[in-house]
Amino acid sequence: GENVEQHPSTLSVQEGDSAVIKCTYSDSASNYFPWYKQELGKRPQLIIDIRSNVGEKKDQRIAVTLNKTAKHFSLHITETQPEDSAVYFCAATPRPSNSNSGYALNFGKGTSLLVTP
Amino acid sequence: AAGVIQSPRHLIKEKRETATLKCYPIPRHDTVYWYQQGPGQDPQFLISFYEKMQSDKGSIPDRFSAQQFSDYHSELNMSSLELGDSALYFCASGTFRNEKLFFGSGTQLSVL
Repeated sequence: GENVEQHPSTLSVQEGDSAVIKCTYSDSASNYFPWYKQELGKRPQLIIDIRSNVGEKKDQRIAVTLNKTAKHFSLHITETQPEDSAVYFCAATPRPSNSNSGYALNFGKGTSLLVTP
Repeated sequence: AAGVIQSPRHLIKEKRETATLKCYPIPRHDTVYWYQQGPGQDPQFLISFYEKMQSDKGSIPDRFSAQQFSDYHSELNMSSLELGDSALYFCASGTFRNEKLFFGSGTQLSVL
C-alpha cells in the first residue's frame, strides 16, 4: 500500500516568512496529491492539489511542486500570516485498483505550523 | 453551498456499547469515505462506498460495519466499543473517479 512521509512535524515561522512542508510517497502508481489544512477539532479543508501530469501549481500565496521521479511533493506558503497557523496534511492516492475502487487518501502524519506575529 | 452533514457532532458512550454515526453527502455526490482520526494523528481511511456498494476497505475493525443507502447517505455502526475507539470520525464525499473529497465536520466519539 501507499506510505506517505511528511516533514517537518512542527514548523515555526515569523509572520511574513515562507514555510515549506515536504512529503514523499512510496507507490509510483499514485497520481493525485492534495494538501489539507486542519484547525483544532475541525474538518480537513482542501487548500491545493496537484495531479501527476503537472509539476507545479500555484494559488495566490500557496504553491505545490511535484517531482515524480523522486516521488516527493512540497507545499510552499509565502508571506505567512498568523491565520495560516494550523496542522497541514499531505496525502496521496493511487489509481483505482478495480472498476469499483475510488480515491481513498493516504495521509502523512501532519505538520503543525505556527506563524508568530 | 451544501456541505457534507454528519450527525451527531458529539457522542459519549460506555465501553462495550454500540454507536451509529450518520453521514449525508453533498447532493449529487455518489461516493462516501469514512476516516478515523485519533488525537494528534492523521486521518486513517476506514471504508468507502460507491453507488451503495463497498468500494474500498481500509483499517476498519471487524467490530465496525457500514453501509450506504439508496439516498446515498451512509451509516457507520460500531459495536463493542473500546476506549481506543475514542476519536474524531470524518465522512467525506465525492463523485466517482473525481479525486476531490469534501469532508464533513466530524463526529467526536468519546468512549468512557
